[in-house]
Amino acid sequence: EAAVTQSPRNKVTVTGGNVTLSCRQTNSHNYMYWYRQDTGHGLRLIHYSYGAGNLQIGDVPDGYKATRTTQEDFFLLLELASPSQTSLYFCASSDGTGGASAETLYFGSGTRLTVL
Amino acid sequence: KTQVEQSPQSLVVRQGENCVLQCNYSVTPDNHLRWFKQDTGKGLVSLTVLVHENDKTSNGRYSATLDKDAKHSTLHITATLLDDTATYICVVGDRGSALGRLHFGAGTQLIVIP
Repeated sequence: EAAVTQSPRNKVTVTGGNVTLSCRQTNSHNYMYWYRQDTGHGLRLIHYSYGAGNLQIGDVPDGYKATRTTQEDFFLLLELASPSQTSLYFCASSDGTGGASAETLYFGSGTRLTVL
Repeated sequence: KTQVEQSPQSLVVRQGENCVLQCNYSVTPDNHLRWFKQDTGKGLVSLTVLVHENDKTSNGRYSATLDKDAKHSTLHITATLLDDTATYICVVGDRGSALGRLHFGAGTQLIVIP
């Protein structure tokens, strides 16, 4: 069964803190994405990757780094967290059609990050 | 500028009633459109994807239409259940590949009451 697993489920840190969000997919997908979801907004793309070692900048990348260590694992790094980064973060994987085909775009359950 | 607008913002219906959710967009090109269901605090689960002009899809009690000329889609939920309480998100893809961008609406919050 297709799966995208995120950890941790919840995270609280302080301003200036260092945070790493993890994502693992078992779908054999090449493409992985990090989004943030804020009230009143649609999901916004932070970073994405075509495969291990590849990184692409999304629409709201400021303050975030990402690293794709393997085909399965994609990490989002906040090296100096700020309160504006308090949000719900989602990881997703895709087979390369960008979601244009049925059942080819899968999301994790999300990580809720609070920056005090 | 928001390119995907959903209406209503929120909706309350009684169990067993039908409801219709709307999605209007300005994304160009519009390769495909997908509807997701998001339970509170959970991830997005795909309900259906529409690709072609005047596409219609059906997935159990969920059915959807797409009018590419009008850049408009509807999601119909028939005989609602309490478990249908969720946020429904409309997403428009501007390409049929992962090189394209997905444009997300802010969602319609549906509440089904007994």
